[in-house]
Amino acid sequence: DGGITQSPKYLFRKEGQNVTLSCEQNLNHDAMYWYRQDPGQGLRLIYYSQIVNDFQKGDIAEGYSVSREKKESFPLTVTSAQKNPTAFYLCASRRDRSSGNTIYFGEGSWLTVV
Amino acid sequence: SQQGEEDPQALSIQEGENATMNCSYKTSINNLQWYRQNSGRGLVHLILIRSNEREKHSGRLRVTLDTSKKSSSLLITASRAADTASYFCATGSKTSYDKVIFGPGTSLSVIP
Repeated sequence: DGGITQSPKYLFRKEGQNVTLSCEQNLNHDAMYWYRQDPGQGLRLIYYSQIVNDFQKGDIAEGYSVSREKKESFPLTVTSAQKNPTAFYLCASRRDRSSGNTIYFGEGSWLTVV
Repeated sequence: SQQGEEDPQALSIQEGENATMNCSYKTSINNLQWYRQNSGRGLVHLILIRSNEREKHSGRLRVTLDTSKKSSSLLITASRAADTASYFCATGSKTSYDKVIFGPGTSLSVIP
């Protein structure tokens, strides 16, 4: 089935460690996104990528890094510089602009710092 | 930020009643979208309305857009317990089309 796969679903990180969240899509979508959601809150944009080998910072990029080496993959690294990383992370993708900017989401990854 | 902002933050209604949620945004947009999120899950797209449209329907959903007031509303008619979820509006600006920003959401509880 086509879709967006995020892994792992649950991840625990010790303070000072970097962790990488995986996001893969087989929808052949051009743009991909990472959002952070804190409990009871809305989504905040971390990074987005419109094409391979290109990405832009969102509103809360500090302490995060991404890469877009392949169209179908957009991994997010939460670095030790992110002081409060415990949150729900959502990856998403969007087809070409002619389809409007309807976004399709993965099921999310829960990151907890212990 | 051009973030949309929904109100109310939380809404509780009886099954069968209508639910109305509002969204305001700050900059010129190409379109506005509404999404639904069940607790702990990813978001699901509900409906998109373009900046040159004023009203759009999809099943029990009715969305309006007033670009002069920079606001939109989502109406769910004849609500069901299964409609219990959080609802978010999202916008992409005319100057930064690919940067899609979400509002803080409205938490809807439909009581059977």
